[in-house]
Amino acid sequence: NFMLTQPHSVSESPGKTVTISCTRSSGSIASNYVQWYQQRPGSAPSAVIYEDNQRPSGVPDRFSGSIDSSSNSASLTISGLKTEDEADYYCQSYDSNNQGVFGGGTKLTVL
Amino acid sequence: QVQLVESGGGLVKPGGSLRLSCAASGFTFSDYYMSWIRQAPGKGLEWVSYISSYSGGTTYYADSVKGRFTISRDNAKNSLYLQMNSLTAEDTAVYYCARDSAFLYDYWGQGTLVTVSS
Repeated sequence: NFMLTQPHSVSESPGKTVTISCTRSSGSIASNYVQWYQQRPGSAPSAVIYEDNQRPSGVPDRFSGSIDSSSNSASLTISGLKTEDEADYYCQSYDSNNQGVFGGGTKLTVL
Repeated sequence: QVQLVESGGGLVKPGGSLRLSCAASGFTFSDYYMSWIRQAPGKGLEWVSYISSYSGGTTYYADSVKGRFTISRDNAKNSLYLQMNSLTAEDTAVYYCARDSAFLYDYWGQGTLVTVSS
């Protein structure tokens, strides 16, 4: 099986842009779609990106996703940061048996 | 609207058992794969198990729970279950049920807390 590695934390100022990476340990990042979830304290996670770069209905276009085969990683970019974006973010993919694989999560601080 | 409501969590002694339930509404439950995902206190998300749609004939488990946990579904009752046996402190977590829509967990319940402690 493979692992997804994320930075433990990132911080940025309101109005700026931040990118969170998610690196796959083995196998190609392009082999299986990557999803991203936002989890605010005390709440269940909710998807902000699916299928690498698609936004669910209701998610603002400030959120975007991409994959980079050269670094074997996926990225979540949030532009025009707002204080309400402060949350934990998790990337997720799945293996050959369709079992979910989550990254360790990244705490985003908007200060 | 889609709703998932977990129940059955609580305090259990090491070696004990617990059965979690997830009541689904607002969609055709039988059409969807369903998953259990857990989150230990202060930790990240860990996928636990999934069950295929319709008859639920396909199930998979994380290595950490294989042989101890059993996922099942009752489409007539729009319900998902997780039978947990031989519980250890490492199983202490909030357990979420989630609708699995082509590998995207698009709807989540609010979670139910399982605490394993003597």
